[in-house]
Amino acid sequence: DTEVTQTPKHLVMGMTNKKSLKCEQHMGHRAMYWYKQKAKKPPELMFVYSYEKLSINESVPSRFSPECPNSSLLNLHLHALQPEDSALYLCASSQGTLSEQYFGPGTRLTVT
Amino acid sequence: GESVGLHLPTLSVQEGDNSIINCAYSNSASDYFIWYKQESGKGPQFIIDIRSNMDKRQGQRVTVLLNKTVKHLSLQIAATQPGDSAVYFCADLMYSSYKLIFGSGTRLLVRP
Repeated sequence: DTEVTQTPKHLVMGMTNKKSLKCEQHMGHRAMYWYKQKAKKPPELMFVYSYEKLSINESVPSRFSPECPNSSLLNLHLHALQPEDSALYLCASSQGTLSEQYFGPGTRLTVT
Repeated sequence: GESVGLHLPTLSVQEGDNSIINCAYSNSASDYFIWYKQESGKGPQFIIDIRSNMDKRQGQRVTVLLNKTVKHLSLQIAATQPGDSAVYFCADLMYSSYKLIFGSGTRLLVRP
């Protein structure tokens, strides 16, 4: 299994809602990542988990809260988002933090 | 009117021709470089990588060239096919920070 899966594919939420994005991989990778990608822009790193511990937070607002329940799962909890947070949220994983990252298909998030 | 940054540089090639996509990176301390392909509605897909102690690496139909003197990376695609149409991103990483930084991307259009 060489796949990173993400659910849901699409999500529309209001500014007062609480929702979660889910990412899963079964490649035995020990590093997992969240990226945000706006239209026609490159992905921007948000968070890095290494061995289930948060190792990088790129000064992301606290309305985004990551969680790594185990080595295969990565969640991104969303609360009180703003319309400008609408974007494609990509999850990635890698064997270690210095090897190629495999990306999931992303969750297209719209905040209304 | 147009907004700066909303249009990706575009390379248009005839099917069967070779394509060369260029990328300039800014961090002379980068250790590792990756090319990703992103098709519409999908996450980035790993194409090929190269370590900073190499200047060339070949894959199937693709070659990556690294010129550290001028901080330039290129991706060559041989016999370009319609399925190669996508946005191509270069990305670089420093081993000390393990943060993957993406370039701005180039859209490749393959004419039949």
